[in-house]
Amino acid sequence: GAVVSQHPSWVICKSGTSVKIECRSLDFQATTMFWYRQFPKQSLMLMATSNEGSKATYEQGVEKDKFLINHASLTLSTLTVTSAHPEDSSFYICSAPPGTGKNIQYFGAGTRLSVL
Amino acid sequence: GENVEQHPSTLSVQEGDSAVIKCTYSDSASNYFPWYKQELGKRPQLIIDIRSNVGEKKDQRIAVTLNKTAKHFSLHITETQPEDSAVYFCAASPVSAGGFKTIFGAGTRLFVKA
Repeated sequence: GAVVSQHPSWVICKSGTSVKIECRSLDFQATTMFWYRQFPKQSLMLMATSNEGSKATYEQGVEKDKFLINHASLTLSTLTVTSAHPEDSSFYICSAPPGTGKNIQYFGAGTRLSVL
Repeated sequence: GENVEQHPSTLSVQEGDSAVIKCTYSDSASNYFPWYKQELGKRPQLIIDIRSNVGEKKDQRIAVTLNKTAKHFSLHITETQPEDSAVYFCAASPVSAGGFKTIFGAGTRLFVKA
């Protein structure tokens, strides 16, 4: 099956610094990827849709200047949490459909971000 | 946009009993309804899915039903086992200009007691 790799799996950073999370499709091309945030004991909340070669589409209430998304190639999308604060601490997960026009999602392993 | 509601939030059953989780969705254009199982600290794993042209689908101990008219769908797990204990999420995938999003329900924490 399709594999989505996410890195790093865990990161601890100081308040005010920026953190970059990578999401790679290993055996398929992904023109679209999705970024989710999950707080403890809560659901996955869609943050944004990452589009290869164009701007990301952000969900309502998500600050695009805070969460920078870049989808520079057909296999890589990055999420940068800028000027991170303790309230940004969360589990971030990416996903990608294995082909154009398909709505099955394959998920990365997630990144646990802890901001001190 | 799409809104998915899921009940119950917590479900505790005895090993061997059945478990049922129910979800409703709001966007009549949604046409794909996956169910995910998530263990603590891990990625969601797809366990079963159903498309809007089908009313029921079964895979061994797991079945899903869909009522498009009422906009609700349910997950049924029979002969539950302790390893079924996890958080289960329903989801709906509406067709949108930005492609296929997946909107999740709030989750159901299932405990299967041995």
